[in-house]
Amino acid sequence: NAGVTQTPKFQVLKTGQSMTLQCAQDMNHNSMYWYRQDPGMGLRLIYYSASEGTTDKGEVPNGYNVSRLNKREFSLRLESAAPSQTSVYFCASSELGVNQPQHFGDGTRLSIL
Amino acid sequence: AQSVAQPEDQVNVAEGNPLTVKCTYSVSGNPYLFWYVQYPNRGLQFLLKYITGDNLVKGSYGFEAEFNKSQTSFHLKKPSALVSDSALYFCAVRPMNTGFQKLVFGTGTRLLVSP
Repeated sequence: NAGVTQTPKFQVLKTGQSMTLQCAQDMNHNSMYWYRQDPGMGLRLIYYSASEGTTDKGEVPNGYNVSRLNKREFSLRLESAAPSQTSVYFCASSELGVNQPQHFGDGTRLSIL
Repeated sequence: AQSVAQPEDQVNVAEGNPLTVKCTYSVSGNPYLFWYVQYPNRGLQFLLKYITGDNLVKGSYGFEAEFNKSQTSFHLKKPSALVSDSALYFCAVRPMNTGFQKLVFGTGTRLLVSP
């Protein structure tokens, strides 16, 4: 019963490098999300996909791109990493419905030097 | 714009004592409210939600939360704390009248339960 799986779990990048964070869910959820978690700031929404084939910006989308590859997979790409993007990144998924809880992966810890 | 405040960075309680983790919110219209828990090096886990109806909501692991519309609060409670309840707790809100369920999270409250 995997739920939401994120890869990799840890990554160190140099400024300017690119990287794609992978996320897959096996709960047949329609909606998927990418958040970043920084100390003292809670979780902030980067991008979301309400359903397969759609993506929209969240609160902090600058410097990121996303791809909803299919219903299961939602990837986050950093085209040119910056130290300000050092964070813990969480992917989540949910049923399509206004009161459905989100289910989270265990995160990717990303450090950019 | 909606917002969530968790006024305490940390709450300390002895095992067996009741615990309260505070949350207040600001939204246009009626809210959907959620509590999540995060254990070290893990993602957030859903605890409970308020949608409508009874103001006292029961959730996982013996937790409950009380919705108070006049005070715009949704405090998390448990009658008897366990050491294993020590974790980071997040309150989140979503207005009912928005087009998609984007949640706004508070900054989190660390709960430390001592033996």
